[in-house]
Amino acid sequence: AQSVAQPEDQVNVAEGNPLTVKCTYSVSGNPYLFWYVQYPNRGLQFLLKYITGDNLVKGSYGFEAEFNKSQTSFHLKKPSALVSDSALYFCAVSSNDYKLSFGAGTTVTVRA
Amino acid sequence: DGGITQSPKYLFRKEGQNVTLSCEQNLNHDAMYWYRQDPGQGLRLIYYSQIVNDFQKGDIAEGYSVSREKKESFPLTVTSAQKNPTAFYLCASSPGPWPGEYFGPGTRLTVL
Repeated sequence: AQSVAQPEDQVNVAEGNPLTVKCTYSVSGNPYLFWYVQYPNRGLQFLLKYITGDNLVKGSYGFEAEFNKSQTSFHLKKPSALVSDSALYFCAVSSNDYKLSFGAGTTVTVRA
Repeated sequence: DGGITQSPKYLFRKEGQNVTLSCEQNLNHDAMYWYRQDPGQGLRLIYYSQIVNDFQKGDIAEGYSVSREKKESFPLTVTSAQKNPTAFYLCASSPGPWPGEYFGPGTRLTVL
């Protein structure tokens, strides 16, 4: 079985400060890891993914994530948050078997 | 533009009625997926299809049915057997067994 944990329901940061959204995973075999963002009543927007290669993955809108195999983590980061980054963020894991397991989501609020 | 369309955006159903949600993609992807989203629970996989005329149950298939007669279409029927169908339904597609990058805008189903 595979699973994802997002330990923080909410993250609050000031605009211009660094943003980190945490994610840990459990999977048999090699993990395929994803981050998504969702705005109210909208579908998911893909931010970035880790399949193989460099542990630091760069994605859309200035986001990046670091794959840490020993800690089974894939935290999402942005060096300088914007008010427009306020949204719901999901981490997900797959083991290349068509099934994607999602975390419960983290609500990010960036205050001006 | 390539993408995934879902219709309708909002759907209301009376208890005891079946209802069908549409999902169409023009990305030429072999695999398609249906997810259900409830507040605080992330997304859960209902059904997925790796290829035309084939589909498999996901984690919460009870009370749902699908068909895959065409590569570009993967409709989901919510039957009267689904005990709590009010939710946000998301369709996705992928070119192979690594789901993740392409999601539709979603259909919000409300049972009256």
